[in-house]
Amino acid sequence: AQTVTQSQPEMSVQEAETVTLSCTYDTSENNYYLFWYKQPPSRQMILVIRQEAYKQQNATENRFSVNFQKAAKSFSLKISDSQLGDTAMYFCAASFGTSYGKLTFGQGTILTVHP
Amino acid sequence: GAGVSQSPSNKVTEKGKDVELRCDPISGHTALYWYRQRLGQGLEFLIYFQGNSAPDKSGLPSDRFSAERTGESVSTLTIQRTQQEDSAVYLCASSLGASGGYNEQFFGPGTRLTVL
Repeated sequence: AQTVTQSQPEMSVQEAETVTLSCTYDTSENNYYLFWYKQPPSRQMILVIRQEAYKQQNATENRFSVNFQKAAKSFSLKISDSQLGDTAMYFCAASFGTSYGKLTFGQGTILTVHP
Repeated sequence: GAGVSQSPSNKVTEKGKDVELRCDPISGHTALYWYRQRLGQGLEFLIYFQGNSAPDKSGLPSDRFSAERTGESVSTLTIQRTQQEDSAVYLCASSLGASGGYNEQFFGPGTRLTVL
C-alpha cells in the first residue's frame, strides 16, 4: 500500500520562531514526488514546497525548507521565522510512480502561530 | 488569469436527493482531479480526467458517484441518492498534464456538501 502519515494533529509556535512538521510515507516506487500544501480557513489549497525523490538536495522556498530522508521515508517541513499568516492546516502529500499525478494525502497538522 | 472555480460554494440537500457539483479548470489544463475532504481529515482521491476520458476512477466510493468532463474543460461530479456520509468538501484540481506530479495541481475553493 502507498500511504502518507502525519502523526502530529496539532502544533503551535511563537511568532518569529521555527517549527518542524513531520511526515512519513510508504511506497515501493523509486520515482515519486512529495509535497507540502497549506490550507487556511478559506479552504484554498496552496502548494508550499515540492521535492522530487531522485533529487538528493533538499528543496527550499524562502522561509520553508524540507528535510528529505529517502531511506527513512521521511519528509519534514521546517518553517523559519514563523508569521501569523502561517496559521493553517498543513498537508503532506505524495504522487507515487505511475499514478497519473494523483495525490495521496496525510491526515494534516493544524499549525497555530501565536503573537 | 482565472484560477480553478467551483460551484456552488455550499450545498445543503436532503438525504436521497441527487446533487451536481461543477468544476471549471484553468484554461488549457488537460488534467483534472476530484478529491473529497471529510471534516478534519486529509483529501481522498476520487477520479482523474485526462482530456475528456477518465483513466482512473478507482477512488469513487460507490456507484452513486459519477463524473464527466466535456470539451476538455468543465467537469461535473454527480452524487445520486445522497447519504449523510457523503457530507464533505469536494475539491477539484487541474494541471497542465498528468506527469506523475511534475505538473503542479491548482485547487479550487471546494464545494461544501451537507446532507441532512
